[in-house]
Amino acid sequence: GAGVSQSPSNKVTEKGKDVELRCDPISGHTALYWYRQSLGQGLEFLIYFQGNSAPDKSGLPSDRFSAERTGGSVSTLTIQRTQQEDSAVYLCASSLATAWPPDYGYTFGSGTRLTVV
Amino acid sequence: GENVEQHPSTLSVQEGDSAVIKCTYSDSASNYFPWYKQELGKRPQLIIDIRSNVGEKKDQRIAVTLNKTAKHFSLHITETQPEDSAVYFCAAIWNNQGGKLIFGQGTELSVKP
Repeated sequence: GAGVSQSPSNKVTEKGKDVELRCDPISGHTALYWYRQSLGQGLEFLIYFQGNSAPDKSGLPSDRFSAERTGGSVSTLTIQRTQQEDSAVYLCASSLATAWPPDYGYTFGSGTRLTVV
Repeated sequence: GENVEQHPSTLSVQEGDSAVIKCTYSDSASNYFPWYKQELGKRPQLIIDIRSNVGEKKDQRIAVTLNKTAKHFSLHITETQPEDSAVYFCAAIWNNQGGKLIFGQGTELSVKP
């Protein structure tokens, strides 16, 4: 597509429920990244994918968080048993990181605003 | 560990003045340093980036400088306009692997008419 698409744009969920956040990167972008932005805060790295594999999952806050990517395209970030501290905007980005010379310029999606009540 | 420090956290300038935001990074191997602008309620957007083979890069009213020895880089905005008001984030690539960026905490720039 023309840009990075994320869905849903807003999600309100009850504490303890599971949620799935979706990211559809720019066509042809092999690298995909998930970040979290809490209110008024910076961008916290969660995980990135090269193709379907995730070389770096170091930013996932706990084992309640997981992510997958299929077909080198769409990615899903899953949060199980949500807690109030999970409330944040979850941003996805993609890039042509594997191009040469590498183009690390991220294109961000509009994010999913998650509210856990 | 992975760290990018950004200062100041807030910056207020008069329209037409210059604004400077500074960042330091911890990974001496980093070779790519982008800057993003995020307007209220919107996605971050890349405004300029610099690679370690150059010391300065300009694009109209914005410029970025890089000092690899000191491990710091700066964003300079000249002739500021009210539409420059936003949060600005610096970032550095971590370990030059896969494009993982570590972001600074952001600077909220306010340009007063």
